[in-house]
Amino acid sequence: AQKITQTQPGMFVQEKEAVTLDCTYDTSDPSYGLFWYKQPSSGEMIFLIYQGSYDQQNATEGRYSLNFQKARKSANLVISASQLGDSAMYFCAMRELMFSGGYNKLIFGAGTRLAVHP
Amino acid sequence: SQTIHQWPATLVQPVGSPLSLECTVEGTSNPNLYWYRQAAGRGLQLLFYSIGIDQISSEVPQNLSASRPQDRQFILSSKKLLLSDSGFYLCAWSARQRTNEKLFFGSGTQLSVL
Repeated sequence: AQKITQTQPGMFVQEKEAVTLDCTYDTSDPSYGLFWYKQPSSGEMIFLIYQGSYDQQNATEGRYSLNFQKARKSANLVISASQLGDSAMYFCAMRELMFSGGYNKLIFGAGTRLAVHP
Repeated sequence: SQTIHQWPATLVQPVGSPLSLECTVEGTSNPNLYWYRQAAGRGLQLLFYSIGIDQISSEVPQNLSASRPQDRQFILSSKKLLLSDSGFYLCAWSARQRTNEKLFFGSGTQLSVL
């Protein structure tokens, strides 16, 4: 069975510093996708970044980058130059094997709550 | 551009009462649709997904059901709510037949069953 693990229930960082949020996964499927979502206190889920299992380079999206280490089955999110607005819950998710019909089932980790201090 | 609407934002219901949460998507056709539930302080659990009208698949046995009467409408229902049905419910959509396509989420419904 596929599984996503986020071992940090809570993290804090000083404003303008970088922070790494950990995510490890377990799958026997050679083709998979990894996602990071941000959930502010309002509850909406905001897509941040995506990494495909066959992508040669680590994904980057603005201040977000994904440190993808395939052999270690880890997909850590790095946020550079933290801002107060980055305070939120962060979820790592993995796409489960595609079945006919082409739906994307994502399984989520338990999340990490990030607090950015001024 | 595509948008997803979910309502109501909050709901307080007594045990044993019925439930109907609605989700609609605009600006796209033939989307895959999903209902997720999030327990307090936890990750998201997939409840139902749909790849087309009247095509619903359930991920976990539960007191809830889902329906898709129109292409861009997804409804989560219950005939009799249980205390354990409390949680934050999120509707989401993704593009059909596109691998690794991200999910777009609605703003969620906070359901409290008392």
